[in-house]
Amino acid sequence: GQQLNQSPQSMFIQEGEDVSMNCTSSSIFNTWLWYKQDPGEGPVLLIALYKAGELTSNGRLTAQFGITRKDSFLNISASIPSDVGIYFCAGQLYGGSARQLTFGSGTQLTVLP
Amino acid sequence: DAGVTQSPTHLIKTRGQQVTLRCSPKSGHDTVSWYQQALGQGPQFIFQYYEEEERQRGNFPDRFSGHQFPNYSSELNVNALLLGDSALYLCASSPPQRGNGYTFGSGTRLTVV
Repeated sequence: GQQLNQSPQSMFIQEGEDVSMNCTSSSIFNTWLWYKQDPGEGPVLLIALYKAGELTSNGRLTAQFGITRKDSFLNISASIPSDVGIYFCAGQLYGGSARQLTFGSGTQLTVLP
Repeated sequence: DAGVTQSPTHLIKTRGQQVTLRCSPKSGHDTVSWYQQALGQGPQFIFQYYEEEERQRGNFPDRFSGHQFPNYSSELNVNALLLGDSALYLCASSPPQRGNGYTFGSGTRLTVV
């Protein structure tokens, strides 16, 4: 089945620094999504990408849908303490009416003051 | 506007027992998906319900079953619980329009002892 490789597994950065994380897949997706999950909560959608090559921003977050449709990256600029959490990439492949998400294993982000 | 509501929030069951988890989708959403998230992992797709039918299923045994009601709410049932079923169970709903991201609930933390 489809698998997503997400890296890095964890990151420790200083407040104010920029962060980059990425996902690669063994097969193509129609949609790439980036979620953030806080302890005890469900994932919250940060950015959705629907087109190969698309670059989308949401405040300090920027994500791109790789041109091969097999990868995506997420950048966070000028990190702040509330950026702490687990970030997941997810791919979605439309086949008929199916819309399941395939998730990466997550990047644990720690922001040091 | 309430988002996705899941109940209960925490549950402890004994190996071999059966459990039912419940989900109310976000207003305007008609599709419900269930995911299992083991500790330190990304969510894994269990199945998806649309128009009261199971539309797609992930790689989970028949011990996992579900139901969707006319009001779009959903239940996840797990029979003959195993220790390995201990996880956070997430419900996600999505609207009729394709291409819109899922909204996740906060999950039910199931512990099997």
